[in-house]
Amino acid sequence: QKEVEQDPGPLSVPEGAIVSLNCTYSNSAFQYFMWYRQYSRKGPELLMYTYSSGNKEDGRFTAQVDKSSKYISLFIRDSQPSDSATYLCAMKVGGTGSARQLTFGSGTQLTVLP
Amino acid sequence: GAVVSQHPSWVICKSGTSVKIECRSLDFQATTMFWYRQFPKQSLMLMATSNEGSKATYEQGVEKDKFLINHASLTLSTLTVTSAHPEDSSFYICSASTSGGYTDTQYFGPGTRLTVL
Repeated sequence: QKEVEQDPGPLSVPEGAIVSLNCTYSNSAFQYFMWYRQYSRKGPELLMYTYSSGNKEDGRFTAQVDKSSKYISLFIRDSQPSDSATYLCAMKVGGTGSARQLTFGSGTQLTVLP
Repeated sequence: GAVVSQHPSWVICKSGTSVKIECRSLDFQATTMFWYRQFPKQSLMLMATSNEGSKATYEQGVEKDKFLINHASLTLSTLTVTSAHPEDSSFYICSASTSGGYTDTQYFGPGTRLTVL
């Protein structure tokens, strides 16, 4: 079993739809959760960074973390064709010292149709 | 802020040659840099972690003599693919981390596409 599971899609939605992307994880040591967006042939771009269980909102994006269920989500409201990309969840264990490695989900490919 | 650049963005080389890829943090000091490899439609695979001034730590299965990593300063890390072969063709991405605290975050470069003929 992978440490982080993410539905690879592909997922197609009409413009304006609400998109829900999800990841589950098995390692309870994961404390920090991120969502990255990656356009084709580009490096990942950090969208959201969360620590606590609950919701964090940034514009049209809302990240949700449920540590008790080991489940994280990213919601995109009023989706736009420019949101078409692969979305990667990532997480890492807590602690100080050297920067911690990220464990990535496999990525979900999203297409927003105009 | 937190911009990471990579050079070159793409490179084509002949089998047997060596290729050097640079990763720079442009507006912050990166104590740690990570090198990833990504195949089409797949997620990122961590190759190695490098801390400034010390030897890189390679993931299991990654040949350290083939993928040479140098992290000479807080803003520059290089990955050299030695004696490249067609199977080394891939998308190589670096990331840089600002610090080792609780809130350290990885910022990714735009990637380098390597094609070995």
